[in-house]
Amino acid sequence: EVQLVESGGGLVQPGGSLRLSCAASGFTFSSYWMHWLRQAPGKGLMWVSRINTDGSSKDYADSMKGRLIISRDNAKNTLFLQIYNLRAEDTGVYYCARRTVTGTYDYWGQGALVTVSS
Amino acid sequence: EIVMTQTPLSSPVTLGQPASISCRSSQSLVHSDGNTYLSWIQQRPGQPPRLLIYKNSIRFSGVPDRFIATGAGTEFTLKISRVEAEDVGVYHCMQATQFPITFGQGTRLEIK
Repeated sequence: EVQLVESGGGLVQPGGSLRLSCAASGFTFSSYWMHWLRQAPGKGLMWVSRINTDGSSKDYADSMKGRLIISRDNAKNTLFLQIYNLRAEDTGVYYCARRTVTGTYDYWGQGALVTVSS
Repeated sequence: EIVMTQTPLSSPVTLGQPASISCRSSQSLVHSDGNTYLSWIQQRPGQPPRLLIYKNSIRFSGVPDRFIATGAGTEFTLKISRVEAEDVGVYHCMQATQFPITFGQGTRLEIK
């Protein structure tokens, strides 16, 4: 059974940083591009970042570029997202998702809530 | 980037009756490889997103056949033939034809 489990969310002060993790199981993690998406409270979904299978190619949303680092550890089947200089507008639930060759996300994690507030 | 616009934003429906959600893209979603990378995603209350439809009209594994997706170019529709209580939630359309991936605002399906 495919499972994606995020962790690392929490309450952070503006200007702070945190690192989200996504533990994958039930599939060959190293064979899939992985993505992070965000959902602000009461809002729609927004793509945040992606990483290719071996970690050599990374992309970020323009609105957050310069404050994000995506990475992965294929030996530990884990995806990461480091967010720096957090702002109130970064508040939301962050999901990791598996990207398929059919151009969609077939599995999503349960999400990690990040709240940026003083 | 491609802008996705959903209508309506809220849809009250009666159990057992049909429901329909529209999604319009600001550019054609036909990829150079001939595929249309339009997906529909369901999000039940308090739950993470769940894939319903991919490549415009293909139901994902385990998705009931009462969910029917049609469309082409820039106009797409998700229809539920007979709404059941478990269908309550927010429905998102998503395009992956052009980077970056973008989503509609979401349509809230609720029972009258």
